[in-house]
Amino acid sequence: AQSVTQLDSQVPVFEEAPVELRCNYSSSVSVYLFWYVQYPNQGLQLLLKYLSGSTLVKGINGFEAEFNKSQTSFHLRKPSVHISDTAEYFCAVRGFRAAGNKLTFGGGTRVLVKP
Amino acid sequence: DTEVTQTPKHLVMGMTNKKSLKCEQHMGHRAMYWYKQKAKKPPELMFVYSYEKLSINESVPSRFSPECPNSSLLNLHLHALQPEDSALYLCASSQATGNTGELFFGEGSRLTVL
Repeated sequence: AQSVTQLDSQVPVFEEAPVELRCNYSSSVSVYLFWYVQYPNQGLQLLLKYLSGSTLVKGINGFEAEFNKSQTSFHLRKPSVHISDTAEYFCAVRGFRAAGNKLTFGGGTRVLVKP
Repeated sequence: DTEVTQTPKHLVMGMTNKKSLKCEQHMGHRAMYWYKQKAKKPPELMFVYSYEKLSINESVPSRFSPECPNSSLLNLHLHALQPEDSALYLCASSQATGNTGELFFGEGSRLTVL
């Protein structure tokens, strides 16, 4: 079984400032890691994923995340945010052999970008 | 642009009504999913279909009845729902279960039960 903790439920940030969203997980097996974004009144869109290889993963819209196996973390960063980045961000994990590709989501982090 | 299409976008129904949510994808994916998302909460898995067969039911009440008529379509039939079933229902698809492919989500159907 897996669990995911997103340490910040809300992150206010000024436009053009950097942002970091923290995600820690626990699992008894190896996992795949994902970050999804949900804009208001929309579904989830994949930002990036870590499957294997380089621990620094680049995604869409200028986001990147770094997998740290020793700290069981997968923090998401963006060097300069835009108003349009206002959204809910979900970190998710899936065990290598998870039945049905079952994703375990964190509680979400709401990012509010202020002008 | 999402390639998973859900209809209707909004649905209001009474507790005695029967309605259905529909989901369609044309990416050739062989796994499809229903998730339920309450306000300010993460999505919760309800059902997984793999190659048109139900592979996971996360102990969902029988008032929710999924159906997968073919590899492109997924329905969720609703009957005798309760107000607490009001939520955003998300459909997703992936290439198959048991691989590294990510899930592609639709925009959801927002359900209100009166």
